[in-house]
Amino acid sequence: DAMVIQNPRYQVTQFGKPVTLSCSQTLNHNVMYWYQQKSSQAPKLLFHYYDKDFNNEADTPDNFQSRRPNTSFCFLDIRSPGLGDAAMYLCATSRDNRGRRPDTQYFGPGTRLTVL
Amino acid sequence: GDSVTQMEGPVTLSEEAFLTINCTYTATGYPSLFWYVQYPGEGLQLLLKATKADDKGSNKGFEATYRKETTSFHLEKGSVQVSDSAVYFCALSTTDSWGKLQFGAGTQVVVTP
Repeated sequence: DAMVIQNPRYQVTQFGKPVTLSCSQTLNHNVMYWYQQKSSQAPKLLFHYYDKDFNNEADTPDNFQSRRPNTSFCFLDIRSPGLGDAAMYLCATSRDNRGRRPDTQYFGPGTRLTVL
Repeated sequence: GDSVTQMEGPVTLSEEAFLTINCTYTATGYPSLFWYVQYPGEGLQLLLKATKADDKGSNKGFEATYRKETTSFHLEKGSVQVSDSAVYFCALSTTDSWGKLQFGAGTQVVVTP
């Protein structure tokens, strides 16, 4: 089945130690998103890629970076995790529907990040 | 700007009860509307969607109708099961916002046997 895959499902890192989260997709969608979701809150968009075009949300901290080496993969890099970065990180994809009706976003299962 | 307001939870129900979760929206463009469900420890799953006025989305016994006149997209299910216990998010996206999802705060639903 076509899907969005996130690895690992659980990640533990130390305060200040860089960490990378991974997302891959078999849907061949050209738009990919990263969200941060804290407990009992709605997901918050960090950034998205439209093909290789990177789009940062205005309030995303500089501590968060992303890479998309090809259509299938996208990485979230947290350069110096703080205790406040502990959260669930969700990857999502959608098809290019620019100029037409917005298309559905399909989410991965998420990576839960713990910062010690 | 665009926004989504949904009823606060938790909503606690007995099995086989009727469920309604209210959702209203404001949008400058012409939005598509979505309901996503999140089971404990999991990502979001699309439950249903509607892309134009009077459309009814349905899936797994859940339904929601896109009401432009009342700017609403209320979620309903006639007979809930314990397995429906989850957090439900109402969301919208518009062509003006390239498909960016604007979420409501989420409503936790707890169904007891």
